[in-house]
Amino acid sequence: GEDVEQSLFLSVREGDSSVINCTYTDSSSTYLYWYKQEPGAGLQLLTYIFSNMDMKQDQRLTVLLNKKDKHLSLRIADTQTGDSAIYFCAVPWAGSYQLTFGKGTKLSVIP
Amino acid sequence: DTAVSQTPKYLVTQMGNDKSIKCEQNLGHDTMYWYKQDSKKFLKIMFSYNNKELIINETVPNRFSPKSPDKAHLNLHINSLELGDSAVYFCASSQVRGLAGETQYFGPGTRLLVL
Repeated sequence: GEDVEQSLFLSVREGDSSVINCTYTDSSSTYLYWYKQEPGAGLQLLTYIFSNMDMKQDQRLTVLLNKKDKHLSLRIADTQTGDSAIYFCAVPWAGSYQLTFGKGTKLSVIP
Repeated sequence: DTAVSQTPKYLVTQMGNDKSIKCEQNLGHDTMYWYKQDSKKFLKIMFSYNNKELIINETVPNRFSPKSPDKAHLNLHINSLELGDSAVYFCASSQVRGLAGETQYFGPGTRLLVL
């Protein structure tokens, strides 16, 4: 299966941009994912990027994919206190529909 | 009109008991999953199942068994509960055959506490 790495913590000030990074070992999948988990809640699909894209923008969210370096990032512009959550990168195993999740990055937004 | 639902939301039980967690999806998906999230929030897949195959994470003890009465349900049965089983268990589903076939939709989680 995949090995997916993320830093565990990120702290930013309200209004600043947040960048959450993810690296993975191998993937031939069509999609790569970001999930968000708010305190005490389940996982919510936040966004995804098709593997033949370098960038995808969705309102305040920008996903960047560098396939050569196997690096995925999620940028949140104008970070708000409501963005405080754990963000999981998820990558399918090569040739499989099963997802491997990173350990999650806990984003803390300081008012 | 919840897409993926789980019951119960909270489960507190004694060591050694047997318990089940239920999961239902109304998305018409072919594949369902169970994940375990530990106290450090690390998420690990336990099982994936569709009507053709069951894939088991080899690290999952055989005290855990998924049971699927039909395509819309995948229940998790746990025998002889241990303290280390305390965690949040998430059910998920996906439509494997779709263009975004690997997109998984998660239930709200079941918080299991073994005393």
